[in-house]
Amino acid sequence: AQSVTQPDIHITVSEGASLELRCNYSYGATPYLFWYVQSPGQGLQLLLKYFSGDTLVQGIKGFEAEFKRSQSSFNLRKPSVHWSDAAEYFCAVGAGTGTASKLTFGTGTRLQVTL
Amino acid sequence: DAGITQSPRHKVTETGTPVTLRCHQTENHRYMYWYRQDPGHGLRLIHYSYGVKDTDKGEVSDGYSVSRSKTEDFLLTLESATSSQTSVYFCAINPDRDSPLHFGNGTRLTVT
Repeated sequence: AQSVTQPDIHITVSEGASLELRCNYSYGATPYLFWYVQSPGQGLQLLLKYFSGDTLVQGIKGFEAEFKRSQSSFNLRKPSVHWSDAAEYFCAVGAGTGTASKLTFGTGTRLQVTL
Repeated sequence: DAGITQSPRHKVTETGTPVTLRCHQTENHRYMYWYRQDPGHGLRLIHYSYGVKDTDKGEVSDGYSVSRSKTEDFLLTLESATSSQTSVYFCAINPDRDSPLHFGNGTRLTVT
């Protein structure tokens, strides 16, 4: 069975600083990988996804993520954080090759942005 | 929220009572899912549906049942609520297996 690890429960960065959120997955084949963001009291919004092809994927709100097969990682990055980026971020892997369904989620990383 | 409405948004109920949560979508998507979100666990899949009257169990299905009699509605039922089912419940949809999930805004359920 697949699994996802987000090793950082809580991260604090200053506005304007760069950000990297870590995600490691366990899956035997090429996975479908996702990053979602959740603001308080809201549902999850898709930031970006990796299905195949270029290992560097661009998402909304200036985020990007890089798929590294050798490290089983899919880290999320942003060059300059804005105060509005404060939220909880979830990495997820799709169950089974070729499916975005039945996602397995990591436990999330809460991002705090200081002004 | 991709045309997803969850109801109720908040509910407090007592242990042992039945509870039904509703997910309604206006997208005519084939696939629908119920997840629960708990601190330290992220989101975990409870049940999912691949079409009308076509449902299956997820990772944490014990104590839950689902029904889908129409494309637009996916109901989650707790037959006899327990305190361990206190959680935030999210419905999600996608049109096919290769499309990302879109989530509703959740239902916060408290079982006292």
